[in-house]
Amino acid sequence: DIQMTQSPASLSASVGETVTITCRASENIYSYLAWYQQKQGKSPQLLVYNAKTLAEGVPSRFSGSGSGTQFSLKINSLQPEDFGSYYCQHHYGTPYTFGGGTKLEIK
Amino acid sequence: QVQLQQSGAELARPGASVKLSCKASGYTFTSYWMQWVKQRPGQGLEWIGAIYPGDGDTRYTQKFKGKATLTADKSSSTAYMQLSSLASEDSAVYYCARGEDGIFAYWGQGTLVTVSA
Repeated sequence: DIQMTQSPASLSASVGETVTITCRASENIYSYLAWYQQKQGKSPQLLVYNAKTLAEGVPSRFSGSGSGTQFSLKINSLQPEDFGSYYCQHHYGTPYTFGGGTKLEIK
Repeated sequence: QVQLQQSGAELARPGASVKLSCKASGYTFTSYWMQWVKQRPGQGLEWIGAIYPGDGDTRYTQKFKGKATLTADKSSSTAYMQLSSLASEDSAVYYCARGEDGIFAYWGQGTLVTVSA
């Protein structure tokens, strides 16, 4: 199975800052990478797929990049509603696997 | 609009089985894979498997083979996941999600399963 490794596991930032979360795949997954946001007690929500395509309704301050085994999610000008947990997931065939998650907290 | 409505919380004894449901609406049920994802308290997301309601084809990750059984009822647009031989490590929130090319754009609200004597 493809292993997905996210870093950092947690991150503290202030409103208005820019943050980057990284995700590494254990083998080449081309651009088959998605990012999800999850708020406490809620279901995950799709943010990005195919490494850099924003899901419908996702603000443009979110951006995804990377290919192969190295990926990143960048959030420009953090807003209060951006705090929560973020997960990467490869969609390069089953079994799908998720990264361990990054918890983004308010500083 | 696409909606996935999951069944309510379950409390089960160790060794028992539970059957969770996920009722789909707003799209053609038989045309999309339905995924199932596990999340233990305070932990990350774990893919369990998927079913294609159109023909009943299933995929499972190795860890959940024998633990989870996925079925679907086309007449009611409902997907099911049965979890057997429950143990404390099965206590978690279980989500269904509509998958397209492995991208989970729509999620149910989750079902909490608590395994306790």
